[in-house]
Amino acid sequence: QKEVEQNSGPLSVPEGAIASLNCTYSDRGSQSFFWYRQYSGKSPELIMSIYSNGDKEDGRFTAQLNKASQYVSLLIRDSQPSDSATYLCAVNPWQAGTALIFGKGTTLSVSS
Amino acid sequence: KAGVTQTPRYLIKTRGQQVTLSCSPISGHRSVSWYQQTPGQGLQFLFEYFSETQRNKGNFPGRFSGRQFSNSRSEMNVSTLELGDSALYLCASSLVPGELFFGEGSRLTVL
Repeated sequence: QKEVEQNSGPLSVPEGAIASLNCTYSDRGSQSFFWYRQYSGKSPELIMSIYSNGDKEDGRFTAQLNKASQYVSLLIRDSQPSDSATYLCAVNPWQAGTALIFGKGTTLSVSS
Repeated sequence: KAGVTQTPRYLIKTRGQQVTLSCSPISGHRSVSWYQQTPGQGLQFLFEYFSETQRNKGNFPGRFSGRQFSNSRSEMNVSTLELGDSALYLCASSLVPGELFFGEGSRLTVL
């Protein structure tokens, strides 16, 4: 069973703070990992991908991957009210395929 | 460039009926995957098609099926509808593994 686990939240942070979102996955053979953001009433959109152990930074977002611990995280620096959304961690566990297994998501609320 | 188009956007069915949902991917994208989203279970993978072949399948009963046509358009079908099938059904197309572009979804209500 391919599973991705996330804390559902809600995670509440004040504007300007760092938001930390975490995720674990069950399939040790997974090679690629993604973070999607979903605003209420909208479809998910890709914000970050990570393939190697370590950190990957893109603007205010940093994704971290530790394959030995089967752990992925997303840090959002200088959080803004517009970052308030549900963040979905996703894993591609397939040898061949583009589809993803998603966690249930963590709801982030940034207060001004 | 047009995005992923799903039809119909909303539909209401009764238990025991069947439903067919359609998805037109972004031009040039040959991979289409389908997901069911509910408040309780989140976004669950149904199946993936590539070049008219089912490549991967999630853990759903056989009542859920799909297909892909030569122009990459895809359909999914749910037969013998149950109340628990009420959900938002999302289709996504992709060129790069994991980089999914989602449609706006088809919201199914089963009464």
